[in-house]
Amino acid sequence: QVHLQESGPGLVKPSETLSLTCTVSGGSISSYYWSWIRQPPGKGLEWIGYIYYSGSTNYNPSLKSRVTISVDTSKNQFSLKLSSVTAADTAVYYCARLKDGHWGQGTLVTVSS
Amino acid sequence: QAVVTQEPSLTVSPGGTVTLTCGSSTGAVTSGHYPYWFQQKPGQAPRTLIYDTSNKHSWTPARFSGSLLGGKAALTLSGAQPEDEAEYYCFLFYSGARVFGGGTKLTVL
Repeated sequence: QVHLQESGPGLVKPSETLSLTCTVSGGSISSYYWSWIRQPPGKGLEWIGYIYYSGSTNYNPSLKSRVTISVDTSKNQFSLKLSSVTAADTAVYYCARLKDGHWGQGTLVTVSS
Repeated sequence: QAVVTQEPSLTVSPGGTVTLTCGSSTGAVTSGHYPYWFQQKPGQAPRTLIYDTSNKHSWTPARFSGSLLGGKAALTLSGAQPEDEAEYYCFLFYSGARVFGGGTKLTVL
């Protein structure tokens, strides 16, 4: 059974870079698309972007200038970096393999000084 | 960027049938948008119910079905159960981007 787990700081200061990692267990990260999605408190879901195991990426145009998603197949992990964060980036961040229905439990990241 | 529209809220009676729809600001939703449907209950991560318009996962209750209807993607719930009360999100593929709808809060009452 594939399991995804997000990890990273729960508190990030404004203007700094948010960094999260998703560790995939129970299966290989190879041959799939891996996504990041976020949900501000009390609001809907927002697609951030995805990465293919080979490294090709696709980002939400509204976040593209600040987002980098990378993959480390040796560690079975993929990562999200979001730069120049503001309070508007406060959200629960999920990693997922959408088509197969595998989601992490989500991690709350708060942007505050 | 395209805007994906859903009904903000719907109510269905237990045992009843309801259809949630998902429209696109760019025109008709087609199979080429590969519509997905997600269910989210309070405090939980979303769960994928439907992918590629009408395909179900092993955990998707048989009472849920996906289709294209009148230029929109549709999620039909036939025989609503109290545990189906949740937020439902659709998700569409566009060239270069993916977009979530704003969600439909479904009440079973």
